[in-house]
Amino acid sequence: GAGVSQTPSNKVTEKGKYVELRCDPISGHTALYWYRQSLGQGPEFLIYFQGTGAADDSGLPNDRFFAVRPEGSVSTLKIQRTERGDSAVYLCASSSRASGGDEQFFGPGTRLTVL
Amino acid sequence: GENVEQHPSTLSVQEGDSAVIKCTYSDSASNYFPWYKQELGKRPQLIIDIRSNVGEKKDQRIAVTLNKTAKHFSLHITETQPEDSAVYFCAAIGGTYKYIFGTGTRLKVLA
Repeated sequence: GAGVSQTPSNKVTEKGKYVELRCDPISGHTALYWYRQSLGQGPEFLIYFQGTGAADDSGLPNDRFFAVRPEGSVSTLKIQRTERGDSAVYLCASSSRASGGDEQFFGPGTRLTVL
Repeated sequence: GENVEQHPSTLSVQEGDSAVIKCTYSDSASNYFPWYKQELGKRPQLIIDIRSNVGEKKDQRIAVTLNKTAKHFSLHITETQPEDSAVYFCAAIGGTYKYIFGTGTRLKVLA
């Protein structure tokens, strides 16, 4: 079956603009994660959804970042008033079980560049 | 807070030699430890994982060991091949379901 997909693959925006990044998880996966990966670093946890609800959003850096998953499938990460420091690859991952300790399948990522 | 340290940051080995990457975690509640391989410009892919009730796991040329007392775990790759060249990330997860990743090890296998 299809893996995790993310759109767009690349996004270039200007400082101060609003962006939306989309993640389509593997069908049937209840858990969905967003990560941010800067060059030369490991993925940094942002937020975790179990179904429609954000079970843990402690990784969101500030209130400019927000994510939704209204129907428990597709998720959108929203960034307001973008800053140059937001430039990174944003990765989405999904897993099949509610409990931790199950393989996460990553999407290809969205490379965000803020000019 | 939770933290995972990974060493070394870069590792060069001759083809056919072994490579070892080590990680240390801080959260004693961590119970699942996956290793991911990430090639340039591609997504991380799981290569092996271990749970806290197991001390060692092996899959062909790849093995992972876990020392819960010392809170560290290691990835061992034997008979390395050029296609093993990539960045490897360890991660630890506990009751919060939050994956904490290490900073990565860039492995170069020299032909």
